[in-house]
Amino acid sequence: GAGVSQSPSNKVTEKGKDVELRCDPISGHTALYWYRQSLGQGLEFLIYFQGNSAPDKSGLPSDRFSAERTGGSVSTLTIQRTQQEDSAVYLCASSFYRERFNEQFFGPGTRLTVL
Amino acid sequence: LAKTTQPISMDSYEGQEVNITCSHNNIATNDYITWYQQFPSQGPRFIIQGYKTKVTNEVASLFIPADRKSSTLSLPRVSLSDTAVYYCLVGDMDSSYKLIFGSGTRLLVRP
Repeated sequence: GAGVSQSPSNKVTEKGKDVELRCDPISGHTALYWYRQSLGQGLEFLIYFQGNSAPDKSGLPSDRFSAERTGGSVSTLTIQRTQQEDSAVYLCASSFYRERFNEQFFGPGTRLTVL
Repeated sequence: LAKTTQPISMDSYEGQEVNITCSHNNIATNDYITWYQQFPSQGPRFIIQGYKTKVTNEVASLFIPADRKSSTLSLPRVSLSDTAVYYCLVGDMDSSYKLIFGSGTRLLVRP
């Protein structure tokens, strides 16, 4: 079946512009996660959705970052007024159950470059 | 904030057993320990998960001591295709909704 998909696969933007990153989870998966991975670094947890709800948004790096999920499916990560330090690969994952430790299935990521 | 520590890199040869340890001193009582594998330009892939003692599946074993402050991923008879970065994952003690990936161990398997 189809896996987690993310779009765009690559995004180049200018400093100060807003960007939207999209994640389509596996159908039926209740939980959805966003991570950020800077070049050569590990994964930084950003946010976790149980259905459409994100109980804790404190993992988002700054108030320029926001995320939403609608219909228990597609999620959008928005970065406003992008900065060069926002350049990274943004990974989305989904899992079947609501519990946060269940096996996560990752998408290929969106590579964001802020010039 | 929960913190995990892993070796930055390890080298091995084909056919050898590789053990990668992750320390997680502040793991919460209810947390599971999960390991993921990541190849370049791909998202991580689930390997194995456990709560305590030993868990084995078709690709790896996971050893967790009684105090659960560390865990060891064991890869039997590695091949070149096992060259990847391996991450442990635990929960964040400060939040029931956050997760902490380790910094990752870069495993290089040589012929």
